[in-house]
Order: sequence, then C-alpha cells, then structure tokens
Amino acid sequence: EAQVTQNPRYLITVTGKKLTVTCSQNMNHEYMSWYRQDPGLGLRQIYYSMNVEVTDKGDVPEGYKVSRKEKRNFPLILESPSPNQTSLYFCASSPMTWAGELFFGEGSRLTVL
Amino acid sequence: EDKVVQSPLSLVVHEGDTVTLNCSYEVTNFRSLLWYKQEKKAPTFLFMLTSSGIEKKSGRLSSILDKKELFSILNITATQTGDSAVYLCAVVSGNTGKLIFGQGTTLQVKP
Repeated sequence: EAQVTQNPRYLITVTGKKLTVTCSQNMNHEYMSWYRQDPGLGLRQIYYSMNVEVTDKGDVPEGYKVSRKEKRNFPLILESPSPNQTSLYFCASSPMTWAGELFFGEGSRLTVL
Repeated sequence: EDKVVQSPLSLVVHEGDTVTLNCSYEVTNFRSLLWYKQEKKAPTFLFMLTSSGIEKKSGRLSSILDKKELFSILNITATQTGDSAVYLCAVVSGNTGKLIFGQGTTLQVKP
C-alpha cells in the first residue's frame, strides 16, 4: 500500500530533550516536506527536500533540522525542543520534483512540557 | 511576503445548500494552487490548478483559478454532512518546493 509513515504518532517530552520524528514513504517520490499545524495558523511549512541531499527552509525552520540521506526517509530533528514547538506535525511527499499533489502522513502530535 | 488568505474562516450550511469558498494569494512567483480537504486527520488532495479559467471538477466539487485577480474558488453543490471538514488552499511558489497554506475554511453541514 502506498503510504507515508510517521513515528511516533504521539509524544510527550520535556524541554531540551532531543527528539527525532521519522518519516518514510514507499512511493519513490523525490519531493518530501514537513509541516506544523496550529489552531488559527493553518499548516506552515518547516522544511522541504526536492531530492536526496537537497533540503531547504520553509516558512518556520527555526528550532528544527532535517536530513535527506536517502530517497524514502526525511526525519525531522528537534535538537532542543521548547514548549512553543508543541504542535501537530505532518510529513508529506509528492511525485513531482516541486510541491504538487501531496500525500500526507497521519500526523505526529508532539507536546513539549 | 508571500501570503494566502481564505474566506470565510468558517461556514455553517444545511444539507443541499451550495457553498463557495474563496482563496486569494500574493506570491512572488506563482506556480500552482492546490485545494485539500482535512477531516479529523491528514489533508487529502482535491485539485491542482495552474491555468486561469479552466474549471476542475470532481463530482459535486469544482474549482477555478483567476491568475489575473489572484484568487481561486472552490464550489460544493448539494452539500452533504460528509462534506463537513476544513478546506485548505495552498500556493506553490516558483521553481522551488515552497508551499504556502491559507488558514483554512471550516465547513459544517447540518442535516
């Protein structure tokens, strides 16, 4: 089944404790991206990648890192999480080299205390 | 600064009504406009629009883009309770992967 898989789906952590949210797609898509969704602010793009080893900042990259060492995986790293990073996170991929029809993961709800 | 604005932010209608959702944008280098539907989970793709004046249609949903006036509309005819969702508009900027979303329109369809 074609899908985008994120883990963990739910996480409660504490300020400063490094964490990684994994994202994997099995559709051989070149484009992958991360978003956070907050009430009243809609979806905001954090980072995107148009190919392996190519990543770029979206609108809200501060406090996040990403890497794209292989086509299928695009992990989101929070080196030192803070409470303002409490949010619902979505990973998505697209068969187009730029953002087009996006296939979203199920979402990861992160709470930073 | 690139931005995408949706209106209204929320809407309550009754089954059978027709609704029009609006999306206006200001981006430095427009490439395409996308519509998504989000229920209690991840957004699902509805339409991608790149050319002005060409209507995209899927069942009771349709959408059109006006690149001169910088807006798009999403129409839903004969609404059903299953259409209740948040409808998201997004614009792809330039030859990059940058994607800007609007705030979304929350549609509630009452029986």
